[in-house]
Amino acid sequence: DGGITQSPKYLFRKEGQNVTLSCEQNLNHDAMYWYRQDPGQGLRLIYYSQIVNDFQKGDIAEGYSVSREKKESFPLTVTSAQKNPTAFYLCASSIEARQGAFPQHFGDGTRLSIL
Amino acid sequence: DAKTTQPNSMESNEEEPVHLPCNHSTISGTDYIHWYRQLPSQGPEYVIHGLTSNVNNRMASLAIAEDRKSSTLILHRATLRDAAVYYCILSRAWAAGGTSYGKLTFGQGTILTVHP
Repeated sequence: DGGITQSPKYLFRKEGQNVTLSCEQNLNHDAMYWYRQDPGQGLRLIYYSQIVNDFQKGDIAEGYSVSREKKESFPLTVTSAQKNPTAFYLCASSIEARQGAFPQHFGDGTRLSIL
Repeated sequence: DAKTTQPNSMESNEEEPVHLPCNHSTISGTDYIHWYRQLPSQGPEYVIHGLTSNVNNRMASLAIAEDRKSSTLILHRATLRDAAVYYCILSRAWAAGGTSYGKLTFGQGTILTVHP
């Protein structure tokens, strides 16, 4: 079955350490997205990518970086510059990003905690 | 960002229909209305979306008011598996870096409780 795979499910980071969250999709979708969710809150957009080798900042991109070298993959790096990285991170994809005409499909998330 | 207003919580009994309301008085002509739902510790699940006309799929129906300032998600027969947080979202065309796309802005949503 097609879908989005996020790994790992749980991740722990030490102070000053960069960590990378994996997101892979086999839906042949052009657009991919990263969101952050804090307890009891809605999702906030970190980065999105409409096509390979292109990505744009979302609302809360500071302290994060991404790459989109392959259509199937959109890894997110949480850098040491992100001062409050503890959150639930969600990756999504859609057929394309054009003006919201297509739904987004989400993975099951990665929960990041600081040691 | 376009704002939606939903009740904080609603309750239903199993096997009964559920009508989840959403107000979006500042909707623009190009905004799509999306509904997603989320279970604890899981990613949101797409439910349905529409632009102007009412929409039906295997999960639910979406009734859109004629002026598009409100919409209602209809679950025809609630089951215990439908208990979740339901998000009503306007996907607004958003320009960044010279390109535009439909940005989803998630609010607090409606917590739906289904009683056996």
